[in-house]
Amino acid sequence: DGGITQSPKYLFRKEGQNVTLSCEQNLNHDAMYWYRQDPGQGLRLIYYSQIVNDFQKGDIAEGYSVSREKKESFPLTVTSAQKNPTAFYLCASSPLTGGAFRELFFGEGSRLTVL
Amino acid sequence: AQSVAQPEDQVNVAEGNPLTVKCTYSVSGNPYLFWYVQYPNRGLQFLLKYITGDNLVKGSYGFEAEFNKSQTSFHLKKPSALVSDSALYFCAVRSASGTYKYIFGTGTRLKVLA
Repeated sequence: DGGITQSPKYLFRKEGQNVTLSCEQNLNHDAMYWYRQDPGQGLRLIYYSQIVNDFQKGDIAEGYSVSREKKESFPLTVTSAQKNPTAFYLCASSPLTGGAFRELFFGEGSRLTVL
Repeated sequence: AQSVAQPEDQVNVAEGNPLTVKCTYSVSGNPYLFWYVQYPNRGLQFLLKYITGDNLVKGSYGFEAEFNKSQTSFHLKKPSALVSDSALYFCAVRSASGTYKYIFGTGTRLKVLA
């Protein structure tokens, strides 16, 4: 089945450690996105990428980094510079062809807890 | 700048009654508007979208939404609520011009009471 796979679903880390969240899609979508979800704040855009080897900062990129070496993959690293990393992280993708009228497709999320 | 407002943190409705979840937006140019639903500890599921054309859009699970350009609103509606509709609902907007950024509202928790 086509879809977006995020791993791990739950992750616990000590303060000061970098962590990398995986996002893989087999939908052949060009664009991929990372959002952070906190209670009462909705979804906030961290980074997005429209093409391999290119990505743009979203609204809350500080303390995060990404790479887009393959079309299918868009991993997110939460660095020790992120002040409050405990959150639910959502990866999404979307095609850019076909009129670009398409909705986002989401993975099941990764919940990161920093102890 | 693009923005989405969902003015109600929570909406309570009795099962069988009609429901409305409100959304207003601000975007330069023509908007693409979306509604998503989220169940606990899950990703978002797409419900419906407005791109152009008819202002009343029908989507999954009996939901519909009405686009009102003059009021810059895109309210989600359902004629008869089910207990299973209880979830978190998000409105999102993307400009038809510019970057491929999708901006989300803060979400509205819908609680349908049996």
